[in-house]
Amino acid sequence: SQTIHQWPATLVQPVGSPLSLECTVEGTSNPNLYWYRQAAGRGLQLLFYSVGIGQISSEVPQNLSASRPQDRQFILSSKKLLLSDSGFYLCAWNGNEDQPQHFGDGTRLSIL
Amino acid sequence: SQQGEEDPQALSIQEGENATMNCSYKTSINNLQWYRQNSGRGLVHLILIRSNEREKHSGRLRVTLDTSKKSSSLLITASRAADTASYFCATGMDSSYKLIFGSGTRLLVRP
Repeated sequence: SQTIHQWPATLVQPVGSPLSLECTVEGTSNPNLYWYRQAAGRGLQLLFYSVGIGQISSEVPQNLSASRPQDRQFILSSKKLLLSDSGFYLCAWNGNEDQPQHFGDGTRLSIL
Repeated sequence: SQQGEEDPQALSIQEGENATMNCSYKTSINNLQWYRQNSGRGLVHLILIRSNEREKHSGRLRVTLDTSKKSSSLLITASRAADTASYFCATGMDSSYKLIFGSGTRLLVRP
C-alpha cells in the first residue's frame, strides 16, 4: 500500500535561517506531488506541485522554493525564513490529477 | 482566491444527530471533493463526486452536487463524537492539477 512520510512534525526556526522540509512517498511510482500551507483556522493554499522529477510549478510568489530530486521525494526549502512563513505545511500526492489527494501529517513551522 | 466556501463555519450538534455542511463554488468544475482534518493532522479524503454525478454515498456520509447552483452538501448521519473535526470541500477543474480548498466547517459532536 502507498504511504506518505513528512518530517519533521514540528520545527521552530529563527528569522533569517534556512529551511528544508522533506516529503517521501512509498508504494507508487511517478506520483504527482504537492506542497500546501495552511494558516490557522483556514483552508489550504497550494504552494508548489510537481508531475515528475525536476518539474516544479509554483503557484504563488514567495520566499520558498521546491525541488524534486527523486521520483518520490519532494523538498520544500527557503534560504532565509520570514516571520510570515510560519504555518502548517502539508505534502500530498495522487496518481492522476482528477484523483483524490493523500496527505502527510504535516509540519508545524514556527518562526521566532 | 477561494473557490469553495463552506457554510456554516462552525457547527455543534449532539451525538446521534445529523450534520449537514454546504459548499459553494464559483467556476465550472471537473470534480468536487470532501476532506476531513483532525486537529493538527493531515487531511483525509472522504468522497469525490464528479461534475456529471448528483449524489454519492459512503457509509454514513452522503454528498450531493448541484452544478446549476454551484453547490454541494455533505451529510453525516447518526453523528459520533469521533466525527469531531474540520471538514473541507475542494474543487478540481478540467486539465488542472490544482485543488482549491474552502476555509472549512468545524464540526463539534457533543457526547
